[in-house]
Amino acid sequence: GQQVMQIPQYQHVQEGEDFTTYCNSSTTLSNIQWYKQRPGGHPVFLIQLVKSGEVKKQKRLTFQFGEAKKNSSLHITATQTTDVGTYFCAGRAGANNLFFGTGTRLTVIP
Amino acid sequence: DTGVSQNPRHKITKRGQNVTFRCDPISEHNRLYWYRQTLGQGPEFLTYFQNEAQLEKSRLLSDRFSAERPKGSFSTLEIQRTEQGDSAMYLCAIAVGETQYFGPGTRLLVL
Repeated sequence: GQQVMQIPQYQHVQEGEDFTTYCNSSTTLSNIQWYKQRPGGHPVFLIQLVKSGEVKKQKRLTFQFGEAKKNSSLHITATQTTDVGTYFCAGRAGANNLFFGTGTRLTVIP
Repeated sequence: DTGVSQNPRHKITKRGQNVTFRCDPISEHNRLYWYRQTLGQGPEFLTYFQNEAQLEKSRLLSDRFSAERPKGSFSTLEIQRTEQGDSAMYLCAIAVGETQYFGPGTRLLVL
């Protein structure tokens, strides 16, 4: 079955440092989405990538979809304490449902 | 505000009891999903409705689990004869295009 893995599982950074989480799928994806879940909260949609090699930016966040459409990354520049939370990628193969990754829990030390 | 409410927000029950959760989208949405999330893991797909039709069920959904969406609006998820392994957050989501908007979830603890 389809599997979506994320690394690292945890990341502690000093405020102002950069952060990157990587997502790898066992199968080729039609698209990939990223969600953020604050502690005690629910997943909140951030972005969707569809095209091979696509790069999208949202302020300090940069999202990338791999050429083979099997991997993706999220990079945060100059982290802030408001970035704290768990970041999930979620992949879809064809018309199938979303398969969420294992998540990367980000802690930002002030 | 995600446009999805879930009740109850928390539920503590004893093993063997039945529990029912409810998901209420604020406005009409064709597609509604149920997920289960355990600590330290991502949401796992349970089932999916297109209007009132249940179109897909995960293998995670044992015979003890049943979901309904009788009028194509709100949905219920029932777990019969709960087990300690059922302890998790149960999330409901509605889809707008390919984006899913999650409700706040119901946290279930089975003692």
